[in-house]
Amino acid sequence: EVRLEESGGGLVQPGRSLRLSCKASGFSFGDYVLNWVRQAPGKGLEWVGCIRTDDYGGPTVYAASVRGRFSISRDDSKSIVYLQMDSLKSEDTAMYYCTRDVAWNLGDYWGPGTLVTVSS
Amino acid sequence: QTVVTQEPSLTVSPGGTVTITCASSTGTVTNDYHTNWFQQKPGQVPRALIYSTSKKHSWTPARISGSLLGGEAALTLSGVQPEDEAEYYCLLFYRGAWVFGGGTKLTVL
Repeated sequence: EVRLEESGGGLVQPGRSLRLSCKASGFSFGDYVLNWVRQAPGKGLEWVGCIRTDDYGGPTVYAASVRGRFSISRDDSKSIVYLQMDSLKSEDTAMYYCTRDVAWNLGDYWGPGTLVTVSS
Repeated sequence: QTVVTQEPSLTVSPGGTVTITCASSTGTVTNDYHTNWFQQKPGQVPRALIYSTSKKHSWTPARISGSLLGGEAALTLSGVQPEDEAEYYCLLFYRGAWVFGGGTKLTVL
């Protein structure tokens, strides 16, 4: 059974950092691009970024709204993908989801999400 | 920065047919945009319906289909049922990055 489970969310002050994790199981983790998607309260979905496999060349891509502040990494030996979020802003408040992607088929499985609240 | 536009809201009668469209600020949407479509109900995680413009997942109802229509991506729901009431999002791939549309709230009335 494919499973994705995010963790690491919480309340953080503006300007501070937070690292989210997404533990995967039930599929060949190293064969998949891993994406982070977020959804602010009452708002739509926003793609945050992804980390690719070696086959796709160029490991990470980010949305303009987070580029330079967020970074994604992966540990294929542990089947975990990370989202390092620095210089957090109130507008980063959202539910953060991880989801997998192969051959432009994105989001067949999603984790339940982890809530990040940026507030003083 | 790519902007993807959907109808903010649509209303359809039970048993009717509705098409949700997805336009890109970059111009004509083609198969190279690898359009994905998602359904999301309140309090739930998004559920994938369509990938690569028109391919269905094993769980996608036969009455839901994806296509290209007039330079845009389109999601058509036929024989609409009350449980189809939800928010629908398209997702386009352009120059190495994904961009979601703003979402369409579908009301079945």
